[in-house]
Amino acid sequence: GENVEQHPSTLSVQEGDSAVIKCTYSDSASNYFPWYKQELGKRPQLIIDIRSNVGEKKDQRIAVTLNKTAKHFSLHITETQPEDSAVYFCAASRPDTGNQFYFGTGTSLTVIP
Amino acid sequence: NAGVTQTPKFQVLKTGQSMTLQCAQDMNHEYMSWYRQDPGMGLRLIHYSVGAGITDQGEVPNGYNVSRSTTEDFPLRLLSAAPSQTSVYFCASSYKRSAPQFFGPGTRLTVL
Repeated sequence: GENVEQHPSTLSVQEGDSAVIKCTYSDSASNYFPWYKQELGKRPQLIIDIRSNVGEKKDQRIAVTLNKTAKHFSLHITETQPEDSAVYFCAASRPDTGNQFYFGTGTSLTVIP
Repeated sequence: NAGVTQTPKFQVLKTGQSMTLQCAQDMNHEYMSWYRQDPGMGLRLIHYSVGAGITDQGEVPNGYNVSRSTTEDFPLRLLSAAPSQTSVYFCASSYKRSAPQFFGPGTRLTVL
């Protein structure tokens, strides 16, 4: 099955700086890559996603890039704010296996005021 | 819309007991999934369903059963609880495959 690796596991940045989280996947048939944000004690919530026919997608301060050849995708957060502090998860799924998502192990982001 | 709801929020079981975690959604989503979340391991898929009457196994199905008799409900049954099943359980739903998933608030389960 698919294997998704996520780095780094923890990340601390100063408020206003950028944060980058990287994920790699193993299954070249995977075609959908969502990112979730999970605050302490809360449910994961989708923040951005990208499909394999697109190289980059942006939503205000958040962007995701996808390199299909290298099988990796990254989350970029610019002008970080303390409320960006949370655990971020990447995931991958392919279209022909029911609805199976494979998640990375998470990145704990701390934004220091 | 309530979205995805789960009950109970917290549960403590003794080894060997059985119980059912409830999940319901009111968005008419065909696809529903159960995940467990353990520290440092992300979310791992237990079982999923692509519609009423259809279920399949995910990465970690052992010790769990599911059924999907209606579009709205997708209960997860622990047959004989073990300490290794101590975890936070999330239910999720989506309107089609490979689409954004909406998660429930989770159930924190402790097995003693």
